[in-house]
Amino acid sequence: DIQMTQSPSSLSASVGDRVTITCRASQGIRNYLAWFQQKPGEAPKSLISATSSLQSGVPSKFSGSGSGTEFTLTISSLQPEDFATYYCQQYDSYPLTFGGGTKVEIK
Amino acid sequence: EVQLVESGGGLVQPGGSLRLSCAASGFTFSDHYMDWVRQAPGKGLEWVGRSTNKDNSYTTEYTASLKGRFSISRDHSKNSLYLEMNSLKTEDTAVYYCVRATPDRFYFYVMDVWGQGTTVTVSS
Repeated sequence: DIQMTQSPSSLSASVGDRVTITCRASQGIRNYLAWFQQKPGEAPKSLISATSSLQSGVPSKFSGSGSGTEFTLTISSLQPEDFATYYCQQYDSYPLTFGGGTKVEIK
Repeated sequence: EVQLVESGGGLVQPGGSLRLSCAASGFTFSDHYMDWVRQAPGKGLEWVGRSTNKDNSYTTEYTASLKGRFSISRDHSKNSLYLEMNSLKTEDTAVYYCVRATPDRFYFYVMDVWGQGTTVTVSS
């Protein structure tokens, strides 16, 4: 199975900050990497597919990059509605696997 | 509007069975892969399994640890996806999400629309 490791597991940031989350795969997954956002008590929401393609309706402050085994999610200017937990997921091969999550909290 | 509505969750004793349902609307059900993803209380996301689409003969894939106990099926007349869960264990306690998957720019299927989830509690 491909292991997905996110770092950090949590971070504190202020409104307006630029935030970067890293996701590492235990083996190469080409560009088959997705990002999801989950707020407390809600279902996850799809943000990015194929490493860098924004899902419909997702604001451009979110961006993704990387390839192979190392990927990043960047939020250019953190807003109150962005405080949430973020998960990466590989879909290069079965079983599909998620990272452990990164909780973004208010400083 | 694309919508996925799960139902069927509840309290079940260890060793029991439960069938979850997911009613899909607003899109052509047979065109899409469909996934089940679960989340134990306070934990992260875990992929349970997948049903591919009509073009791929609705084949199924499962996470290895659940294969044999869990089974995914579809009813096309009802545009519904099901998760049959048998021999349930306390560690199966989780919110179960139904998720649609759609081709990305490389034509690999990626999760894009999530249901609101249904809660399964396995306890005596």
